[in-house]
Amino acid sequence: GAVVSQHPSWVICKSGTSVKIECRSLDFQATTMFWYRQFPKQSLMLMATSNEGSKATYEQGVEKDKFLINHASLTLSTLTVTSAHPEDSSFYICSVLLGGGEQFFGPGTRLTVL
Amino acid sequence: AQTVTQSQPEMSVQEAETVTLSCTYDTSESDYYLFWYKQPPSRQMILVIRQEAYKQQNATENRFSVNFQKAAKSFSLKISDSQLGDAAMYFCAYRRAFTGTASKLTFGTGTRLQVTL
Repeated sequence: GAVVSQHPSWVICKSGTSVKIECRSLDFQATTMFWYRQFPKQSLMLMATSNEGSKATYEQGVEKDKFLINHASLTLSTLTVTSAHPEDSSFYICSVLLGGGEQFFGPGTRLTVL
Repeated sequence: AQTVTQSQPEMSVQEAETVTLSCTYDTSESDYYLFWYKQPPSRQMILVIRQEAYKQQNATENRFSVNFQKAAKSFSLKISDSQLGDAAMYFCAYRRAFTGTASKLTFGTGTRLQVTL
């Protein structure tokens, strides 16, 4: 498997501000990472696929200018929620893609926008 | 597009008993992977078991086993000797049989499993 961390685990911010969430692969060099969003009592919805050294691939309906993804190294991908609003409040989860096609998930980040 | 359906929003099982969670999926692919993930209250997603579509033998991991019916596009999870720590949300997931960016997971809506004494 792979060990994946996320930071912060919980963040509260004011409406209109930007928030950065980090996803780190601690023991595996990840060419590909994924970002998911999970609303309470709902399933995981894929937001984007993050590829090291190239632009992320966003799912239909996800605003790429609002959810900025940077995958500058093989161990770090970041998700920045720009000009956050209360409707962006959610649980954000990243995962790392291993060579065999399996994904291992980070512990998630709870975002609360006031 | 592939879809994954979990028709049981909630299930309950007594400790030490056996429970089966249902999952059906729709795909036009012949080769793919199916997964069951567990999400406990901590919300950390944990891989429980995986099944390759080209394998006829059902996957087994200790107390967890699957009943994979490819023709019926059914993939149920059986938990034997249920323990309190099995209480969680369980998600069924599908992935095409490619690596790279095609390795996106499609998740079902989840089944919340309660384990009672």
